[in-house]
This record gives sequence, C-alpha cells and structure tokens, in this order.
Amino acid sequence: DAGVIQSPRHEVTEMGQEVTLRCKPISGHNSLFWYRQTMMRGLELLIYFNNNVPIDDSGMPEDRFSAKMPNASFSTLKIQPSEPRDSAVYFCASSSGGNQPQHFGDGTRLSIL
Amino acid sequence: GDSVTQMEGPVTLSEEAFLTINCTYTATGYPSLFWYVQYPGEGLQLLLKATKADDKGSNKGFEATYRKETTSFHLEKGSVQVSDSAVYFCALSGGRGANSKLTFGKGITLSVRP
Repeated sequence: DAGVIQSPRHEVTEMGQEVTLRCKPISGHNSLFWYRQTMMRGLELLIYFNNNVPIDDSGMPEDRFSAKMPNASFSTLKIQPSEPRDSAVYFCASSSGGNQPQHFGDGTRLSIL
Repeated sequence: GDSVTQMEGPVTLSEEAFLTINCTYTATGYPSLFWYVQYPGEGLQLLLKATKADDKGSNKGFEATYRKETTSFHLEKGSVQVSDSAVYFCALSGGRGANSKLTFGKGITLSVRP
C-alpha cells in the first residue's frame, strides 16, 4: 500500500524565492497534518485539515506560510518569500481521524541559502 | 492543555541491554497514547499504541502500558539491538470528535553500541 507521499525530498533555494512542498495523503484518510522539524525546536505542528478544511493553523509561523488542500488527495505548503530560518525538514502526515494513528511521509529537507 | 513529558536524552546503551524510556502526560478526558520511532533520514513511524487504561501496546519487542493512575506510558525493551538506534517520541491524542491532533514529547535519541 502506498504511504504518504511527499515531494520534493530535498529542496535547496535562495532566500526570497517561493517554495512549494507537496503531499499526497493515504487514500481514505480524512485528516492531514503539516509539521516542521528542527534541531532547536523539535517537531512542531504547523496546520491540520479535516475533510479538506483547515481546522487549526495556529502553528503557522507567519503570513509567509500558507497551506491548501484543494481535494482529498493533495495538499501544498507554500513559503513566500523564503528565509534562511525556514530551513528544516517538513513532514506531512495523514490519519483516518479520531484517535487513529498518524502516518508520516519521509519529509522534505528544505535548505534556504 | 495537553502535554507530554519525556526523559532527557540522549541515551547510549550496549547491545542486549535493557531499555526504559520514561513518558508522562497531562490530558483531559481519556486520551490514546502512542510511541513513534524515527530512523535517520526518515519520517516518524508508529511503533505501538494503547487506547485505554491498563492496555499494553507491543511491537518489535517493545512494550508500553497505559497507566492512568500515574499518567505514564513508559517504553521498555528487554534486549536492544544496534538497529534500534533512532529517535523515540511519545505522543497522545485527545481524540474528541473528528480531530486527531497529536501532542508530541520532545523525543529522545537512543544509540546502541555493538
């Protein structure tokens, strides 16, 4: 069975550029989560969706970050403009809701120069 | 609000040693509890879970028991292997309604030496 698929796996770009991270959740899952992981701050929840609707975006660091989920099989996390402090590993996860476990993708390692 | 506290790391053990990683939680209601493992360069994987008090989750030789009286979910393994070297996260889900937001601990790095 296909798990959560994220792309790209690695992204290196210069500050000021727009960055778009993509996620395909597991088919049938109705909850989707975006996390950021850094050495300094650990694992942080940025935003999560339920049935394609954003439920809690309180973890989004600032207006430069935006996330969309146009349908049940696709989500994007966009950073515009990007800054060096955005460098991190970004994970997407999905679940079937309630107390069911979340399934994580392999992450996108983002480096902003 | 909900919170998860894990013991400070990192932890270094010799192969075949006994492992305990402590985890305590604060939550309202009756949360589900999880242990996730992250191997180098990979995403988090569910290791085991428990959904109610006194449940024991187990997988790959790891065990954890949901202790409501002590609000704990400590992870144990009787004999660790080098391949167990990873970062371990304790987490809880309040699970009320449709939301399955997880609250994670800070994670602890385990290194197992041959």
